[in-house]
Amino acid sequence: EIVLTQSPGTLSLSPGERATLSCRASQSVSSSYLVWHQQKPGQAPRLLIYGASSRATGIPDRFSGSGSGTDFTLTITRLEPEDFAVYYCQQYGSSPYTFGQGTKLEIK
Amino acid sequence: EVQLVESGGGLVQPGGSLRLSCAASGFSFSDHYMDWVRQAPGKGLEWVGRIRNKVDSYTTEYAASVKGRFTVSRDDSKNSLYLQMNSLKTEDTAVYYCARGHYDSGGYRNDHWGQGTLVTVSS
Repeated sequence: EIVLTQSPGTLSLSPGERATLSCRASQSVSSSYLVWHQQKPGQAPRLLIYGASSRATGIPDRFSGSGSGTDFTLTITRLEPEDFAVYYCQQYGSSPYTFGQGTKLEIK
Repeated sequence: EVQLVESGGGLVQPGGSLRLSCAASGFSFSDHYMDWVRQAPGKGLEWVGRIRNKVDSYTTEYAASVKGRFTVSRDDSKNSLYLQMNSLKTEDTAVYYCARGHYDSGGYRNDHWGQGTLVTVSS
């Protein structure tokens, strides 16, 4: 099983700042199978990034993904109030299709 | 517009059974893989199982935590996905989401999710 470890667990920032979230895999994951989801309280997850770096439909360009192999990053430039949420990385390269434990992005 | 609507959640005793449904609309359901994902109260997301499409023989995969107890199935004629849950345990308590799988040159992803249905396993 591929274990995804996200850091930090909680990130406290202010609107307008830049957020950098990390996802590290226990073994190599094809970039085609690494995604990022956003989840707000009481809501279903929403796909943000697929293929490690492609934005899903309707996702603003302040969200970007990068990385390869075992190290992946989600960057949010110029945080907006609606961006404060929990972010999960997920891999589909090897079953079971595991999630990271999540990074909570909170308002400082 | 793609819509996924789960139903069938509720309170069930340990050892009991429950069948969840996911009604799909707004897309060609039969073409897509479908996944179930769950989230225990206050916890993270956990992938539960997948069913592929007819082209890929409706094959299924499961998380180790549910294998042998849960069964994913689909009825393409009804645009519906199902999760049969047997021998339920208290640790199966969670919101269960169905999610559409989409695969193209950009890779695989769950690009649409239902709103979830709550399953509570308790005596």
